[in-house]
Amino acid sequence: AQSVTQLDSHVSVSEGTPVLLRCNYSSSYSPSLFWYVQHPNKGLQLLLKYTSAATLVKGINGFEAEFKKSETSFHLTKPSAHMSDAAEYFCVVSDGDMRFGAGTRLTVKP
Amino acid sequence: KAGVTQTPRYLIKTRGQQVTLSCSPISGHRSVSWYQQTPGQGLQFLFEYFSETQRNKGNFPGRFSGRQFSNSRSEMNVSTLELGDSALYLCASSDTTGRRGGANVLTFGAGSRLTVL
Repeated sequence: AQSVTQLDSHVSVSEGTPVLLRCNYSSSYSPSLFWYVQHPNKGLQLLLKYTSAATLVKGINGFEAEFKKSETSFHLTKPSAHMSDAAEYFCVVSDGDMRFGAGTRLTVKP
Repeated sequence: KAGVTQTPRYLIKTRGQQVTLSCSPISGHRSVSWYQQTPGQGLQFLFEYFSETQRNKGNFPGRFSGRQFSNSRSEMNVSTLELGDSALYLCASSDTTGRRGGANVLTFGAGSRLTVL
């Protein structure tokens, strides 16, 4: 059975500093992996997806994630945080059924 | 191209009532799935419809039901509302060709926020 664990429920960074949101997964098959972002009172928006092509995936708004099979991880990073990045981020694993992580709330301090 | 539209955006009901939520997917998308989001339980999958057929169902009681019409629009219904049904209900559509999950990208609506008093 597949599962996904977001290792931090809350991450706080200063504007202009790097962002790291951690995600570990388990899956019996080669999964597809996604990161979605949810701003307050909005639906979820796709940031990026991994589907067994390049292990380093670039997404929108300067975000990227690296698929590491040996570590079963798919961490999301951004070199420099912006105030508008403050939101909830969800890691998703899919190998037939989609399973969402519990979410990581990112706070960006001025 | 228009996004996923959910109506109503906000609604307040009392215990014991029933509610119907509507979702219009992106044009051409045949898969519609529904999720319940609460602070305590996070995002939980309710069900998915593809070409008017329920293809997958989450672990929710029978009070939660849904359907999909021939134009791919979908509705979900919750009967005999309980306080714990207060949540943001999200609909997502996908242009899947038929295979569940996998690499299918979900496009979400803004949600319907239900408050049960």
